[in-house]
Amino acid sequence: EVQLEESGGGLIQPGGSLRLSCAASGFTVSRNYMIWVRQAPGQGLEWVSVIYSGGGTYYVESVKGRFVISRDDSKNTVYLQMNSLRVEDTAVYYCATQSDHYESTGYYSVGYWGQGTLVTVSS
Amino acid sequence: DIVMTQSPVTLSVSPGERATLSCRASQSVSNNLAWYQHTPGQAPKLLIYGASSRATGTPARFSGSGSGTEFTLTISSLQSEDFAIYSCLQYNHRFSFGPGTRVDIK
Repeated sequence: EVQLEESGGGLIQPGGSLRLSCAASGFTVSRNYMIWVRQAPGQGLEWVSVIYSGGGTYYVESVKGRFVISRDDSKNTVYLQMNSLRVEDTAVYYCATQSDHYESTGYYSVGYWGQGTLVTVSS
Repeated sequence: DIVMTQSPVTLSVSPGERATLSCRASQSVSNNLAWYQHTPGQAPKLLIYGASSRATGTPARFSGSGSGTEFTLTISSLQSEDFAIYSCLQYNHRFSFGPGTRVDIK
């Protein structure tokens, strides 16, 4: 059974740093893409970052240069290092990975989600 | 970046009625479009992938259609557990979500 468990959220002052962790079980993170998605209070879902199985990483424009996604294959864990945090980064952060549903296009939707961890940036 | 829009923002429907939700992409995403159901405090649940394929466990009353830039999610007969927020996601080029449609009880 695929499980994702986020940790590392909390209250942090503007300009501070946090590292979120996503511990995976039931699959190997290095074989899937792993993404971070956030949901600010009263807002919709926003994709934040992805790390592909080949190691390529990408970010939404608003976090480029501040956030870094990485993975530790030995721990089957993905991380999101968040630096220079801003009030507008306040959100529930979800870790997620691709679904099991094979698509002939070769693309995979996001199928599995963690329960999320709350990050509050406030002075 | 691909921008996703959804309409309407809120849809008020009576139980048993049909609901039709729309999602539009700023450029073609082929069929790489998924629909999610979510409620406050809960992780999103995959309903539809590949624009029209039901995910495991998705009831048959949910159907998806469309390709390219225009997509539709239809709930044929709303049940009480269907009142939630529905978001579309394109995964053709990186990822981007629509802002969501809230389906509430009329």
